[in-house]
Amino acid sequence: GDKVKQSPSALSLQEGTNSALRCNFSIAATTVQWFLQNPRGSLINLFYLVPGTKENGRLKSTFNSKESYSTLHIRDAQLEDSGTYFCAAEAGDYQGGRALIFGTGTTVSVSP
Amino acid sequence: EAAVTQSPRNKVAVTGGKVTLSCNQTNNHNNMYWYRQDTGHGLRLIHYSYGAGSTEKGDIPDGYKASRPSQENFSLILELATPSQTSVYFCASGGTGGAPAEQFFGPGTRLTVL
Repeated sequence: GDKVKQSPSALSLQEGTNSALRCNFSIAATTVQWFLQNPRGSLINLFYLVPGTKENGRLKSTFNSKESYSTLHIRDAQLEDSGTYFCAAEAGDYQGGRALIFGTGTTVSVSP
Repeated sequence: EAAVTQSPRNKVAVTGGKVTLSCNQTNNHNNMYWYRQDTGHGLRLIHYSYGAGSTEKGDIPDGYKASRPSQENFSLILELATPSQTSVYFCASGGTGGAPAEQFFGPGTRLTVL
């Protein structure tokens, strides 16, 4: 919740357009993961990031630990990109060991 | 690719009954976790484990126990289920010690307590 803030909470995209999702951290995040929760409810791993940038097909993600944020860029959105995107951070001082602290998600809907 | 399985996938229980949710991972990860997902809250940590025989409380442990009898298996136990425990429960594994590591999630168990 408050320790990891995701924005926007919902996003409607036309096929072929680009967009960006953002997470801001009020904790000392050391690593970040991005997931897509599909309509069946499964959490699909998209990215695992130490500070830096990774790219996979039409998706690109950056984690900036000094400025406490991470972004997920979707390029050329397709219908199969629809779902809820979660970011989650690991923090060195978290009492949950190496557990992840989740944001509340961004629901993305891609239409033709 | 990491493999985490959960059983059952769906469960209906009665208030006051005992419920056991099971998780198995085949990746030899030391660390395993139980989370629950509720609308508006994302996923929240219930219990976690550093290895066989170890269980630790997460952020919302009240009403839950955990058991880690082996490296591969991690169970979540609701001794006296209540309707407020109706939720989707996810198990995850990741890492072999104190270093950061990617976590992999099971498919989830949908629990309804009537």
